[in-house]
Amino acid sequence: DGGITQSPKYLFRKEGQNVTLSCEQNLNHDAMYWYRQDPGQGLRLIYYSQIVNDFQKGDIAEGYSVSREKKESFPLTVTSAQKNPTAFYLCASNSDRGYHYGYTFGSGTRLTVV
Amino acid sequence: DQQVKQNSPSLSVQEGRISILNCDYTNSMFDYFLWYKKYPAEGPTFLISISSIKDKNEDGRFTVFLNKSAKHLSLHIVPSQPGDSAVYFCAASAFGNTPLVFGKGTRLSVIA
Repeated sequence: DGGITQSPKYLFRKEGQNVTLSCEQNLNHDAMYWYRQDPGQGLRLIYYSQIVNDFQKGDIAEGYSVSREKKESFPLTVTSAQKNPTAFYLCASNSDRGYHYGYTFGSGTRLTVV
Repeated sequence: DQQVKQNSPSLSVQEGRISILNCDYTNSMFDYFLWYKKYPAEGPTFLISISSIKDKNEDGRFTVFLNKSAKHLSLHIVPSQPGDSAVYFCAASAFGNTPLVFGKGTRLSVIA
């Protein structure tokens, strides 16, 4: 079955540590995205990539970094510079066809800073 | 500055009645609009979409209406079912595959 896999589902991080969230897709989609969900805030765009080896900052990129070395993978690193990292993180992908036929989302990673 | 606004954080509807979820947008470059449904601790799932060249799109119990002059769209669910209870996100995109911009969501509760 094609889809997006995010791991882990739950992640705990100590203050000052970097942590990497995994996102893998087998849909052969060109574009991949990272969103963050906070209560009452909706989904806010962190980073996106429309092609391998290229990515762009979203609205809230500060304190985050990404890489896109393979089409299938778009890992997100939450660095110690991110002031409030506790949130639900969602990865998505879609086929680059000009118009959206709907993103496919992963099941999310809940990150908690302890 | 919020480009996509869902001004009702929550909505309660009785089973069998109509649910109407509203969404307003400010960016006149948006030309494609989508609705997503989300359960807790899961990723959103695509529900229905509409292009700016249309004013209505139906899919079973779900209908989306677009009023471009008012920069307003709405999702109608008829009849509402308990399984429809979820958070619904409105999203919009400008031509050229720019990333989707999401509203803050509306939590729908369908009461049996």
